[in-house]
Amino acid sequence: KQEVTQIPAALSVPEGENLVLNCSFTDSAIYNLQWFRQDPGKGLTSLLLIQSSQREQTSGRLNASLDKSSGRSTLYIAASQPGDSATYLCAVRGTTSGTYKYIFGTGTRLKVLA
Amino acid sequence: GAGVSQSPRYKVAKRGQDVALRCDPISGHVSLFWYQQALGQGPEFLTYFQNEAQLDKSGLPSDRFFAERPEGSVSTLKIQRTQQEDSAVYLCASSSQGISGNTIYFGEGSWLTVV
Repeated sequence: KQEVTQIPAALSVPEGENLVLNCSFTDSAIYNLQWFRQDPGKGLTSLLLIQSSQREQTSGRLNASLDKSSGRSTLYIAASQPGDSATYLCAVRGTTSGTYKYIFGTGTRLKVLA
Repeated sequence: GAGVSQSPRYKVAKRGQDVALRCDPISGHVSLFWYQQALGQGPEFLTYFQNEAQLDKSGLPSDRFFAERPEGSVSTLKIQRTQQEDSAVYLCASSSQGISGNTIYFGEGSWLTVV
């Protein structure tokens, strides 16, 4: 059974710092992995999608890497800003026949201090 | 519309009452997901539709939960005889592709409180 873990559960950093959020998963048979952002009281916004054949994806100040063999992904945020404060979730989609679900971690709550 | 729309945004139900939650996915999106999110937790999968076909309902917690998407667009999640443990945010998401995977777009959720 696929399990997704995110470390740390919460993080508070001063503005301008570069930071790394970690995501690990137990079953390496995945179609893809997505990183999402969730603001309080809101739905999820997809940040980056990495297909299983890819190693990384970049969008602006965000870079996500994927190491399928070790079951790990990292989300790197450069030059953090107060507006980056949110909960960041990773989710994986497995390849097991008949399985269509994305399995989510419990998220990392990020607070960037001005 | 431009995004995934869910209604109602907030619902307070008395225990034992039936509720229906509606999801309008992005026009033309093939895939539609329902998730349940408890406070402080990640979303938990409930069910998946590809067009009108419900291909995976393994996450529905009991036979009180029922979902449909009869014409392959709008979907309804129905909860019968609600119980306090059903209190959660119910999130709908859609995607333009099927199993191969693509960016998925979430609605803002329906917040259900059972009293």
